[in-house]
Amino acid sequence: NAGVMQNPRHLVRRRGQEARLRCSPMKGHSHVYWYRQLPEEGLKFMVYLQKENIIDESGMPKERFSAEFPKEGPSILRIQQVVRGDSAAYFCASSPVQGSYNEQFFGPGTRLTVL
Amino acid sequence: KQEVTQIPAALSVPEGENLVLNCSFTDSAIYNLQWFRQDPGKGLTSLLLIQSSQREQTSGRLNASLDKSSGRSTLYIAASQPGDSATYLCAILQGAQKLVFGQGTRLTINP
Repeated sequence: NAGVMQNPRHLVRRRGQEARLRCSPMKGHSHVYWYRQLPEEGLKFMVYLQKENIIDESGMPKERFSAEFPKEGPSILRIQQVVRGDSAAYFCASSPVQGSYNEQFFGPGTRLTVL
Repeated sequence: KQEVTQIPAALSVPEGENLVLNCSFTDSAIYNLQWFRQDPGKGLTSLLLIQSSQREQTSGRLNASLDKSSGRSTLYIAASQPGDSATYLCAILQGAQKLVFGQGTRLTINP
């Protein structure tokens, strides 16, 4: 059973370009979470999705960031018109269920560098 | 708003020692608490998960405790090894869906 997969592992973009980060949850997992780790800071929750639904996006910046988890295919975190402050490690996690028995399993992360 | 604090921020000990990492949180209404390990430039590996109703969990040389009333958790590592060197993260499951992380403790085990 493959773990959570993220690609690309490293992404370099110039200011103003778009970044697309992909996450494939573990087999059988229908809940996906995105977290961001800024340099020298802790991980911060961004968004929680189930198939075709955004459940909680309270941690998402109001502009330029969006996320989706379509019926088929991976979850996508999209950052439009990237700025240097978007440089960070973006982690995806998945879980099979919600609630107190919710153990989240993390992917290896995508490290975004904005030049 | 839940806040998670980990002390110390960094710890360096000789190989073979037993050690304790500390995690404190401000809101005792939690679903569970997870301890993770993060190696430089890598993802997170889940070490232990303690449900809200539990007091401790053990896995090999690791033991994690949870005291909700005092807002504290500890991660005990027995007989430390150089391979244990990593950053250890404590995270609280808040609202059954989002993890709130501490800043981590950077652990170095010296051979």
